[in-house]
Amino acid sequence: EAAVTQSPRNKVAVTGGKVTLSCNQTNNHNNMYWYRQDTGHGLRLIHYSYGAGSTEKGDIPDGYKASRPSQENFSLILELATPSQTSVYFCASGDVAVSAETLYFGSGTRLTVL
Amino acid sequence: QQKVQQSPESLSVPEGGMASLNCTSSDRNFQYFWWYRQHSGEGPKALMSIFSDGDKKEGRFTAHLNKASLHVSLHIRDSQPSDSALYFCAALSNMGYKLTFGTGTSLLVDP
Repeated sequence: EAAVTQSPRNKVAVTGGKVTLSCNQTNNHNNMYWYRQDTGHGLRLIHYSYGAGSTEKGDIPDGYKASRPSQENFSLILELATPSQTSVYFCASGDVAVSAETLYFGSGTRLTVL
Repeated sequence: QQKVQQSPESLSVPEGGMASLNCTSSDRNFQYFWWYRQHSGEGPKALMSIFSDGDKKEGRFTAHLNKASLHVSLHIRDSQPSDSALYFCAALSNMGYKLTFGTGTSLLVDP
């Protein structure tokens, strides 16, 4: 089965600190995505990528950067973390536009910014 | 404004009962729809997709799509406690690569 692995599983950060969330996929999908999940908002798209070297802004990109150094890896970077970024973050891969495939999600990273 | 709205926010049904979940989009560019299910502590997993008007049945799950009214529904018959989860509707535009998710419906199946 398609595999998406996120690390760390839990993270506590301080306000103003830098946070990097990592994601690795073994599905050979071109597209990768970062979502955050908050009660009442569902899943909201932060950044996505079409392939190595590309990153695109999603619906709520402010305060976040993304990096796609290879086909397999996609990172989400919070340069100056704020308490409003406390959330559960999910990485996903899937070539939805190519063949209307499904997305495969990781298990999530719970981030708490104090 | 959320482009994909789901109702109800939460739903409780007895074991063996029928659960009905609804999803409405406000963007006529959305042409492809999925239902995802998320159990507590896990990431969402695709349950089923529907791309054409009408019904699509997979086991105990039936999805219905009406593109004219931008409405998608999911019906779960013979609900089981293991069906207790958060259900998301997701929509894909015919112009993009982004999957837009709804706010979710929390389903509780009482044993």
